[in-house]
Amino acid sequence: DAKTTQPNSMESNEEEPVHLPCNHSTISGTDYIHWYRQLPSQGPEYVIHGLTSNVNNRMASLAIAEDRKSSTLILHRATLRDAAVYYCILIEETSGSRLTFGEGTQLTVNP
Amino acid sequence: ETGVTQTPRHLVMGMTNKKSLKCEQHLGHNAMYWYKQSAKKPLELMFVYNFKEQTENNSVPSRFSPECPNSSHLFLHLHTLQPEDSALYLCASSQDWGRVYGYTFGSGTRLTVV
Repeated sequence: DAKTTQPNSMESNEEEPVHLPCNHSTISGTDYIHWYRQLPSQGPEYVIHGLTSNVNNRMASLAIAEDRKSSTLILHRATLRDAAVYYCILIEETSGSRLTFGEGTQLTVNP
Repeated sequence: ETGVTQTPRHLVMGMTNKKSLKCEQHLGHNAMYWYKQSAKKPLELMFVYNFKEQTENNSVPSRFSPECPNSSHLFLHLHTLQPEDSALYLCASSQDWGRVYGYTFGSGTRLTVV
């Protein structure tokens, strides 16, 4: 599986925007970029995903670099409920069902 | 509620017991998955089913036995487990392989083997 690199941890203040980076320099043209988050003692929750263009949904925005070697998950106004581990995952066309989780970024939101 | 329901939420079992974990989805998805998450480790894929057929077994010990009677239900039968099998077991589902549309996870079953 194509590898992603994320910071181990980040901090933000409540009601401020958060930009969570992800590097994926070995991405191939058909790999989708997925983001999930996991709160303590919960299953992962789908956040957003994209292929080439930037994406917006009710939870977040995904900004994908023009060369696709990096992406950024944007939470527009962080809340305490956004404190979680955020996973950036590449899903290859040839990986079939495999969703491979790394260590992710632990986001702390300060009141 | 994510649309994927797992029961029970918590389970304590002895090493000689037999128990089953249940997963149910009514999202119309055709693929279902079992994942294991041990303490301070990334999620590990265990089994994959697509249209009730097992398509992947990620070298899981035979004391874990999956069953998928239909596309909406998935079971994980447990017998003679070891204490190191204590973990959060997560079920997920997706339309097709999830690459294009994403995956939906349940809240998990917290299993403790004593």
